Amino acid sequence: DAKTTQPPSMDCAEGRAANLPCNHSTISGNEYVYWYRQIHSQGPQYIIHGLKNNETNEMASLIITEDRKSSTLILPHATLRDTAVYYCIVRVEAAGNKLTFGGGTRVLVKP
Amino acid sequence: DTAVSQTPKYLVTQMGNDKSIKCEQNLGHDTMYWYKQDSKKFLKIMFSYNNKELIINETVPNRFSPKSPDKAHLNLHINSLELGDSAVYFCASSQTGTSGRAKYFGPGTRLTVL
Repeated sequence: DAKTTQPPSMDCAEGRAANLPCNHSTISGNEYVYWYRQIHSQGPQYIIHGLKNNETNEMASLIITEDRKSSTLILPHATLRDTAVYYCIVRVEAAGNKLTFGGGTRVLVKP
Repeated sequence: DTAVSQTPKYLVTQMGNDKSIKCEQNLGHDTMYWYKQDSKKFLKIMFSYNNKELIINETVPNRFSPKSPDKAHLNLHINSLELGDSAVYFCASSQTGTSGRAKYFGPGTRLTVL
């Protein structure tokens, strides 16, 4: 699975959009981009995933660059409950379905 | 209605003891996993079971033995517990054949070995 690079931490103002970058320059054509988050003392939570096209769901939007070497997770209106560690993971669809978690980005939403 | 549940939530025990952690999912998924999160907060996969068959065993000591009595359950038994086993253990599930195969994680079991 391709490695990802994320900033270790970032702050965001409540009510504003949070834009979380992720670099995955060695991604291959059959690897998906996944985003999970882990709120303190809870299990990781799936947010969104994509292959090539931008994706949006009730939680967030995922913008993948045309060359697929980087992506951005957008939380449109951050709330205090969005404070968490956000993980960007790239992975091939295969039996076993292993997720390799890196260090993630620790996002602190401030009032 | 909890999708992936684990028991117990906390487990404190002495070195050398044998303990089990139970996991159940009611999502109808065919694949279940165990992950370990150590004190540095890194999450690492331990095991993956698909339709009760072991798919992944990530060089975990053989003191750890997963058991899957059916597709909805994946229990983790640990023999001869060591101090280094102290961690939070997460169970997860997913469904093969669906695009993306998002994983759903349980709330975790915090194991403390004294």
